[in-house]
Amino acid sequence: EVQLLESGGGFVQAGGSLRVSCAASGFSISSYAMAWVRQAPGKGLEWVSTISSGGDSTYYADAVKDHFTISRDNSKNTLYLQLDSLRVEDTAVYYCAKAGYWVTTPLDSWGPGTLVTVSS
Amino acid sequence: DIQMTQSPSTLSASVGDRVTITCRASQRITNWLAWYQQKPGKAPKLLIYKASSLESGVPSRFSGGGSGTEFTLTISSLQPDDFATYYCQQYNTFSGGTFGQGTTVEIK
Repeated sequence: EVQLLESGGGFVQAGGSLRVSCAASGFSISSYAMAWVRQAPGKGLEWVSTISSGGDSTYYADAVKDHFTISRDNSKNTLYLQLDSLRVEDTAVYYCAKAGYWVTTPLDSWGPGTLVTVSS
Repeated sequence: DIQMTQSPSTLSASVGDRVTITCRASQRITNWLAWYQQKPGKAPKLLIYKASSLESGVPSRFSGGGSGTEFTLTISSLQPDDFATYYCQQYNTFSGGTFGQGTTVEIK
């Protein structure tokens, strides 16, 4: 069974950093593109970032470009999102999701999410 | 960037009703569109991909249609478990997998 479990969320002051992780089980992330999607409290879904199956291509939403970094460790079957220079508007539940082999594929499995709260 | 616009934002319906949600893309996306269902406090769940293909395990009362710039999600006979928020997402290009703003289906 495919499972994804995020961790690493918490409270951080504006300007600070945090790294969220997503541990996968039931499949090998090395064969799939993986993504992060966030949801601010009471708001809709916002795509954040995607990394290709090989890890050689990364894509970011304009809102997070230059201050978030997506990466993967296939040996640990884990996806990461490094969040730097955090802003209050980055407060959200961060979901990791599994795509298909290509980055242009839908997100067919999701973790339960981890909450990141940025205070001013 | 491709923008996705859903309508309506909220839909009030009764059990047994047929409901349709519309999603419009700001430019042609062929049929590279997915629909997700999200319940409060839970992660989204993929329902439909490639505009009209039903994800494994999803009840057949859900169907998707459309191509180009206009797409629909239809629930043929609304069930109590279907009261939720629905999102469309384009994955045509990698300028980002843009989501629509969501449609909440609530009990009338």
